[in-house]
Amino acid sequence: AQSVTQPDIHITVSEGASLELRCNYSYGATPYLFWYVQSPGQGLQLLLKYFSGDTLVQGIKGFEAEFKRSQSSFNLRKPSVHWSDAAEYFCAVWSNTGTASKLTFGTGTRLQVTL
Amino acid sequence: GAVVSQHPSWVICKSGTSVKIECRSLDFQATTMFWYRQFPKQSLMLMATSNEGSKATYEQGVEKDKFLINHASLTLSTLTVTSAHPEDSSFYICSAITGTASTDTQYFGPGTRLTVL
Repeated sequence: AQSVTQPDIHITVSEGASLELRCNYSYGATPYLFWYVQSPGQGLQLLLKYFSGDTLVQGIKGFEAEFKRSQSSFNLRKPSVHWSDAAEYFCAVWSNTGTASKLTFGTGTRLQVTL
Repeated sequence: GAVVSQHPSWVICKSGTSVKIECRSLDFQATTMFWYRQFPKQSLMLMATSNEGSKATYEQGVEKDKFLINHASLTLSTLTVTSAHPEDSSFYICSAITGTASTDTQYFGPGTRLTVL
């Protein structure tokens, strides 16, 4: 069965510092991978997604992620964090069992940004 | 961008009562909507997939008779928690896709927090 692991429950970075959020997945076929951000009172917003092609994916708000098949990873990065980036981040993998398809989410990483 | 709304944003009810949560796609037609449940500090768990005009497909372990889903139009899906109990207290989130491919981007509503006393 597919699964997503986000090893870091909580991360704190200083504003302006770089950021990397880890995501590891388990899926038998070619994965379709997503990163979402959840802010209080707002719905999850898609940051970026990987389906195929270039393994370095650019997203919104200056985020990027790199798909590494050998490591089953899809880590999210940002060169310089802004205070407004404080939120909950979810990695997800889309799976198709033949009779059903769905997104499976990781447990999330809460990002705190200090000024 | 595509906007999905939910109503109400929070609700408190007594044990044994039923609660209806609405999910609307405001600026697009959604043939498929999804319902998730999120526990504190935990991930989103898919409860069911809802297709307009047909019965919802529930995930394993989700009680169909407790969580009634109706997708009567291309812009509205409802989740009714019947005979709610305290263990049903949770954050319920819906999402919708604009196309027909399951890999289409899901647009999420802001969620509904249900507290059952």
